Amino acid sequence: GDSVTQMEGPVTLSEEAFLTINCTYTATGYPSLFWYVQYPGEGLQLLLKATKADDKGSNKGFEATYRKETTSFHLEKGSVQVSDSAVYFCALSDPSAGNQFYFGTGTSLTVIP
Amino acid sequence: ETGVTQSPTHLIKTRGQQVTLRCSSQSGHNTVSWYQQALGQGPQFIFQYYREEENGRGNFPPRFSGLQFPNYSSELNVNALELDDSALYLCASSLRGPGANVLTFGAGSRLTVL
Repeated sequence: GDSVTQMEGPVTLSEEAFLTINCTYTATGYPSLFWYVQYPGEGLQLLLKATKADDKGSNKGFEATYRKETTSFHLEKGSVQVSDSAVYFCALSDPSAGNQFYFGTGTSLTVIP
Repeated sequence: ETGVTQSPTHLIKTRGQQVTLRCSSQSGHNTVSWYQQALGQGPQFIFQYYREEENGRGNFPPRFSGLQFPNYSSELNVNALELDDSALYLCASSLRGPGANVLTFGAGSRLTVL
C-alpha cells in the first residue's frame, strides 16, 4: 500500500544554516505530494505541494521537487530562521488508492539563534 | 474566509465512556476528513465524509463513527473509549474537484482517556 518514510529527528540547526529533510514515498498510482508544518499547539498547515513528476513546490523560502525516479520529495531551505522551529510532515494523496492522505511520522526542527 | 474550527479543544474521559467531537469546515469546502494523531506520530486517517455520507475509511474499528450535516459541519463519535484512544483528533476540510485535494486542518481536539 501507499506510505511515506520521513527522516527521523529531532534536527537542531543554527540560524542561517541549510536545511534538508528527506522524504521518500511508495504509491501505486500517481500521487500528489505535500509538506505540512505543525507549530506547537496548532493543527497542520500546508507549506507546499507538487502534483506531478518534476514539479517544484515552494513557499516561504522552502522548496521540494517531486522526483519520480527516486520516489522522493525532500524539503530544503537555504537559510533557516528561529521562527521555522516546528514539526514538518511529508504526505501524499493518491486518488487511485482512495481519499485519504498518508503522512510521515514528522521531523521536529529546532533553530537556535 | 473562516478556517476550520474544532470543539472542544481539550477533554478528559474515562475508559468505557463515549465522546463526541465537532468540526466546522472552511467556508466553501464540501468534504470533511478526520485524523487521529498520537503523540510523536503523524496523523492517521479515520474517515472522510462527502455529501453527508462516509466516503472512505481507514483502519479504525466501528466504534469510531461520524456524521456530516447539510452545512458541511461534522461530528466524530467514539464509543467504549480505550486508553489508546488518547490522541489529538484533527478535522480537515477540502473541496472535491479537479486538481490536488488540499486539506485545511483545524487546531484539533486533544482527548485524554484515563
